[in-house]
Amino acid sequence: AQSVTQPDIHITVSEGASLELRCNYSYGATPYLFWYVQSPGQGLQLLLKYFSGDTLVQGIKGFEAEFKRSQSSFNLRKPSVHWSDAAEYFCAVGNQAGTALIFGKGTTLSVSS
Amino acid sequence: KAGVTQTPRYLIKTRGQQVTLSCSPISGHRSVSWYQQTPGQGLQFLFEYFSETQRNKGNFPGRFSGRQFSNSRSEMNVSTLELGDSALYLCASSFTSGYQETQYFGPGTRLLVL
Repeated sequence: AQSVTQPDIHITVSEGASLELRCNYSYGATPYLFWYVQSPGQGLQLLLKYFSGDTLVQGIKGFEAEFKRSQSSFNLRKPSVHWSDAAEYFCAVGNQAGTALIFGKGTTLSVSS
Repeated sequence: KAGVTQTPRYLIKTRGQQVTLSCSPISGHRSVSWYQQTPGQGLQFLFEYFSETQRNKGNFPGRFSGRQFSNSRSEMNVSTLELGDSALYLCASSFTSGYQETQYFGPGTRLLVL
């Protein structure tokens, strides 16, 4: 079955500290992977995506993610978190068109001062 | 360029009624997808339309239907509403339904079924 697992429901990080959000996927075909962020009352905003090529992907707002096929993982990282990064983060896997996305349940990030 | 717009933003309905939600994609985008977001089930894919044809479909009952017009605007309809249909319904558009597209999401329509 196709699925995405985000093991951490809620993470709290101090401002300025590094961040890693975990994502594991199960997908029968070649996985196309995405990270989205959702702030309260907002729609989803794409942070980054992986289709092929370099397994380390750079995104917006200083985020990056690394695709590890052997571990079926696509973890999101940021070296220094800002208070404005507090939001809910979703990992997703989709078809080669980048549509029909299967989302994880999300990780809520809180940033403490 | 204007983003994806969804109307209405909020809606309250009663069990058994039907509802129609509207989505206007980004200008030039021809693919529109719909997702349901609930606290329990998270984000789930409903269906995708491209050039007025349904291209992909998620695992939802037939009470959920959609359509796309020639100007790429899309509507989704839910008939015989159930309490469990209370959710945020998100629409997303992309340029085509081709290869390595990026989906852009609208702010959603929050539906409450009483």
